[in-house]
Amino acid sequence: KAGVTQTPRYLIKTRGQQVTLSCSPISGHRSVSWYQQTPGQGLQFLFEYFSETQRNKGNFPGRFSGRQFSNSRSEMNVSTLELGDSALYLCASRLHGEQGAGNTGELFFGEGSRLTVL
Amino acid sequence: AQSVTQLGSHVSVSEGALVLLRCNYSSSVPPYLFWYVQYPNQGLQLLLKYTSAATLVKGINGFEAEFKKSETSFHLTKPSAHMSDAAEYFCAVSRMGGYNKLIFGAGTRLAVHP
Repeated sequence: KAGVTQTPRYLIKTRGQQVTLSCSPISGHRSVSWYQQTPGQGLQFLFEYFSETQRNKGNFPGRFSGRQFSNSRSEMNVSTLELGDSALYLCASRLHGEQGAGNTGELFFGEGSRLTVL
Repeated sequence: AQSVTQLGSHVSVSEGALVLLRCNYSSSVPPYLFWYVQYPNQGLQLLLKYTSAATLVKGINGFEAEFKKSETSFHLTKPSAHMSDAAEYFCAVSRMGGYNKLIFGAGTRLAVHP
């Protein structure tokens, strides 16, 4: 079974540009989350999508947005890039949208997209 | 609000020695707790998880962790370190019954020396 796939793996942008990152979850997983990882702030939750709806959002400015398609694939977009947006962006998928007796919230992570903003 | 504190950003052990990585959590509701490992240039891999069943949880690669409610701790241990255990380890907490949002600790980088 294929894991979570993120594209591109590496990219370089300049300040003011925008970027779109893509994530394909594990087959059958309908929940997709995004995290930002930086040396200074560590791992921070960006947002989660389930059934094409944003279910939860972290404390990031409106320049960060995302969406999910009917096939559960997800994209995130960052507009008007700033130097501080340089980070590893991790996508994770999960089997169900809500936690319960049979769902621990276990996430399966992709290898990430490393964004460098110059 | 939930939070996670990992004591020690860097831990160094000799091959064959005990590995102990510390994690304390803060949660106003019963938590789910996780340990993830990250190797260089890779994503996160789940080592083990606590979900209110047994307090001693066994994971992959010989790791285990014990949930201690009285101490609000979830320390990760391995009896004998291997060179391949060198990586960064993250403790994380999420809320039972809530939507999926992991709160991560700052991470502990484990170095294993021959």
